[in-house]
Amino acid sequence: TQLLEQSPQFLSIQEGENLTVYCNSSSVFSSLQWYRQEPGEGPVLLVTVVTGGEVKKLKRLTFQFGDARKDSSLHITAAQPGDTGLYLCAGAPSGSARQLTFGSGTQLTVLP
Amino acid sequence: NAGVTQTPKFQVLKTGQSMTLQCAQDMNHEYMSWYRQDPGMGLRLIHYSVGAGITDQGEVPNGYNVSRSTTEDFPLRLLSAAPSQTSVYFCASSLTGYNEQFFGPGTRLTVL
Repeated sequence: TQLLEQSPQFLSIQEGENLTVYCNSSSVFSSLQWYRQEPGEGPVLLVTVVTGGEVKKLKRLTFQFGDARKDSSLHITAAQPGDTGLYLCAGAPSGSARQLTFGSGTQLTVLP
Repeated sequence: NAGVTQTPKFQVLKTGQSMTLQCAQDMNHEYMSWYRQDPGMGLRLIHYSVGAGITDQGEVPNGYNVSRSTTEDFPLRLLSAAPSQTSVYFCASSLTGYNEQFFGPGTRLTVL
């Protein structure tokens, strides 16, 4: 089983601050996805990173895939209350497994 | 398109009762899956299907059954509910097991 560890588990910050969320594994993934989940709803895909070292930007969100494709980070600049939610990373296997492995999530609260 | 729909939204069961959680998708996806989400544990795969007539076990299959008679529908059956099955259940569909997953809104189940 390929495990993904996310840190921190909880993060509470003031509006306007910057933050970084980490997703780490000892296994190599062919790609990695980031989802955001709002209360009472299912997760929604934010981005997929595929190439080692790849950086993708989505407005104030910056996603990076590690060079060895074992880890990823999500950086939010000038966080807003609308960024509040559960952030989940999910790794696509590089071997014969056919399902995503989800991390345990980071619960972000941005206070106004 | 409705995407992925789940019913019911909320359910309370007594220990030993059985029930079926319904899931349907209108995106013609071959891959469908069921997850449970518990605090601090992310999403854990219960069962999945790669197409009509084909199902397989995920990480936590005990106490649950599934069937896939059509591409659109993927019901999850709880055979004899236990308090340990209190959770939020998400159905998802996708082109494959490691592409973007489209999640339903979830079913919050409480077993007393």
